[in-house]
Amino acid sequence: EVQLVESGGGLVQPGRSLRLSCTASGFTFGDYAMTWFRQAPGKGPEWIGFIKSEAYGGTTEYAASVRDKFTISRDDSKSVAYLQMNSLEAEDSAIYYCARGIFYQDTRGFYYFDLWGQGTLVTVSS
Amino acid sequence: SSELTQDPAVSVALGQTVKITCQGESLRAYYANWYQQKPGQAPVLVMYGRNYRPSGIPDRFSGSSSGNTASLTVTGAQAEDEADYYCSSRASGGYHQYVFGTGTKVSVL
Repeated sequence: EVQLVESGGGLVQPGRSLRLSCTASGFTFGDYAMTWFRQAPGKGPEWIGFIKSEAYGGTTEYAASVRDKFTISRDDSKSVAYLQMNSLEAEDSAIYYCARGIFYQDTRGFYYFDLWGQGTLVTVSS
Repeated sequence: SSELTQDPAVSVALGQTVKITCQGESLRAYYANWYQQKPGQAPVLVMYGRNYRPSGIPDRFSGSSSGNTASLTVTGAQAEDEADYYCSSRASGGYHQYVFGTGTKVSVL
């Protein structure tokens, strides 16, 4: 079955760190960009960042709100993507989703995200 | 610009047509992608690029764009189409980033 499964969420104190994992199955993980989103209660999704496939350089891009706090990495041999979150604040509390990204080649290219996991809840509170 | 604006809510009678719009400056440069989200579930991609539907998405969903506005149309809305819909696009500007719209709650009456 083609799927993504997030893990590693939970309750964490402000200022602490947490690492989320996104385990893929059913497709060739290395062919895709892997992306992280989050969604606070009652809010819309927010793009956090992604890591491109090695074919596109394996580079990372981040939203300005997390660029100095979060790091995305991947291990293609294990079909896993990671989100390392440091210096967590209450505002980081949300459901965190990973998703698979496919590059749409056009005059100006972009990614679309066609497969999402079910999410993992992160609560930052003392 | 990093803002995409959507109407908060729309309603449609069962079997009728509903059009959801999304406005933002980034849409002048990039196509919108559309996501459907039902309560307690992850978003699902329903439209991407010029007017492409992922496998498994019914052909009653279609997309269009003009200038700074993108639209998602559901022709012959079904009860299962009741959900929140979010547009998203790559943000215009120096960084490679993505933005989401404010979301539209679609109610099927």
